[in-house]
Amino acid sequence: EVQLVESGGGLVQPGRSLRLSCAASGFTFDDYAMHWVRQAPGKGLEWVSGISWNSGSIGYADSVKGRFTISRDNAKNSLYLQMNSLRAEDTALYYCAKGDQDSSGPFDYWGQGTLVTVSS
Amino acid sequence: EIVMTQSPATLSVSPGERATLSCRASQSVSSNLAWYQQKPGQAPRLLIYGASTRATGIPARFSGSGSGTEFTLTISSLQSEDFAVYYCQQYNNWTFGQGTKVEIK
Repeated sequence: EVQLVESGGGLVQPGRSLRLSCAASGFTFDDYAMHWVRQAPGKGLEWVSGISWNSGSIGYADSVKGRFTISRDNAKNSLYLQMNSLRAEDTALYYCAKGDQDSSGPFDYWGQGTLVTVSS
Repeated sequence: EIVMTQSPATLSVSPGERATLSCRASQSVSSNLAWYQQKPGQAPRLLIYGASTRATGIPARFSGSGSGTEFTLTISSLQSEDFAVYYCQQYNNWTFGQGTKVEIK
């Protein structure tokens, strides 16, 4: 059974940093692209960042480019999102999602999310 | 950036009726289009990918069509568990539509 478990969310002040983690199991992690998607309270889904199986291809939404860094550790079956210079508008539930073996593909499994609240 | 526009924002449908949801891309995405269902308090679930292929375990009452810039998700006979928010997503660079809420009429 595929499982994605996010952690690392919490309350943080504007301008500070936070690192999210996603622990994956139930599939061959290093065969698949992985993504972060967020959802602000009461709002829709926003793709944040994605990384190919070997970290050779990485992308970011314009809204987070230069502030967020995605990475993965295939030996630990883990995905990460380093979030710097956080803003109030980064407040959201952050989902980890499993992509395709091709770097371009839909998201067939999602975690339950970790909540990030940016507020003073 | 490819902008995805869904219509309508809200669709009121009676159980057993057909629901038709639309999604338009600002430029061609070929068939690189997925549909997701999200219920309150839950993560999204993949319904359709490749514009028309049902994901594993998705009932046959869900069908997708279209290519290029115009796409449709059809739920042939709405069941109580189908009332939810539906998102389209193009996966050339993964942008989502704003969602269509399907509510009970």
